[in-house]
Amino acid sequence: GDSVTQMEGPVTLSEEAFLTINCTYTATGYPSLFWYVQYPGEGLQLLLKATKADDKGSNKGFEATYRKETTSFHLEKGSVQVSDSAVYFCALKLAGTSYGKLTFGQGTILTVHP
Amino acid sequence: GAGVSQSPSNKVTEKGKDVELRCDPISGHTALYWYRQSLGQGLEFLIYFQGNSAPDKSGLPSDRFSAERTGGSVSTLTIQRTQQEDSAVYLCASSSLGSGGTDTQYFGPGTRLTVL
Repeated sequence: GDSVTQMEGPVTLSEEAFLTINCTYTATGYPSLFWYVQYPGEGLQLLLKATKADDKGSNKGFEATYRKETTSFHLEKGSVQVSDSAVYFCALKLAGTSYGKLTFGQGTILTVHP
Repeated sequence: GAGVSQSPSNKVTEKGKDVELRCDPISGHTALYWYRQSLGQGLEFLIYFQGNSAPDKSGLPSDRFSAERTGGSVSTLTIQRTQQEDSAVYLCASSSLGSGGTDTQYFGPGTRLTVL
């Protein structure tokens, strides 16, 4: 079945460091891909998305590129801030569906120290 | 505008009791989803509504779990004869079609259920 695998966490960085959180997927065809973020004490928020191969999603300085050849959607940010400390979830939705369930990775805890 | 709201925010119940969790989606969103977030299982899909019908209920873990949606709006998730393994945060999301022909799901704050 469809699945999402995220890099093992937790990830601890100093402020202004470069961030990469790896995400790979297994799915039939070309699913839509998403990154969601959950800040402490808050609900899940969509961070960015990409709906077709080679698309780049970006928001709040975060970027992820849909790579079909490596079935990956790695999250990157050039300079993290303390306020980026949160849990990050990679997710996919089946190809060819307008509506449908999200399949999530296990989440990666990011802690940024001043 | 208002986001997805859920009630109650916290629910503590005794094993064997029934509970009802409520979700108010964003106005105008036709699709509504229920997920469960637990330490052991991560984020799991439970059921999806389009209008008042549920084309996908494949994630409901047992027949103790049921959900309904009325008027194409509010949804209620009911868990009968609760068990300790039902303890989790229950998340609701609603969506509309966006760019790329795929919907974007907006999540509520969740209901934290604790079964003693």
